[in-house]
Amino acid sequence: DAKTTQPPSMDCAEGRAANLPCNHSTISGNEYVYWYRQIHSQGPQYIIHGLKNNETNEMASLIITEDRKSSTLILPHATLRDTAVYYCIVMPGGGADGLTFGKGTHLIIQP
Amino acid sequence: DAGVTQSPTHLIKTRGQQVTLRCSPISGHKSVSWYQQVLGQGPQFIFQYYEKEERGRGNFPDRFSARQFPNYSSELNVNALLLGDSALYLCASSWGTSLSYEQYFGPGTRLTVT
Repeated sequence: DAKTTQPPSMDCAEGRAANLPCNHSTISGNEYVYWYRQIHSQGPQYIIHGLKNNETNEMASLIITEDRKSSTLILPHATLRDTAVYYCIVMPGGGADGLTFGKGTHLIIQP
Repeated sequence: DAGVTQSPTHLIKTRGQQVTLRCSPISGHKSVSWYQQVLGQGPQFIFQYYEKEERGRGNFPDRFSARQFPNYSSELNVNALLLGDSALYLCASSWGTSLSYEQYFGPGTRLTVT
């Protein structure tokens, strides 16, 4: 059962901010929002995660709505190397059940 | 520092055969997880091992098994291979079992079953 909904694909111009939406309307109080990406022919790569506060690191920013039912991953200055499939994952932080990947959003950065 | 390494890179097997895939985690990481990624889909969780014990298992048949060694490296075994087992098998390592620890993925082993 999919806990998240993401658009299957998006385009963004190089140098612009890429904003990737994720809907998780059934999120529980103990569940985090994780973002991973997978560049073609490589293993997934961790980007960022958060519970309810907005988070920022050297790669991206994560904006979570106050009701936690949706979030947006922001890549501030997209480059061609950011072309990848981006996965939004909602899961409890503890436990050992592994990550549940959906189909993700294929982000294509246009030159 | 070396990342997660997996061997072999590619593998071709025949239906009914058995296969062993290997993973070496990042130095200091005690948790290893295995995922299966069929073409066009996201990775699916198979196992997690921590301190040589199985801590989590996904919805895969008993033909799939794994183990972790004292040096925290791991092997994934698949018996009685089916055509549907053709996939990219990914290994991920992290400090602990919690998903709050960043999962570092290897490049994967591409298994083709004919």
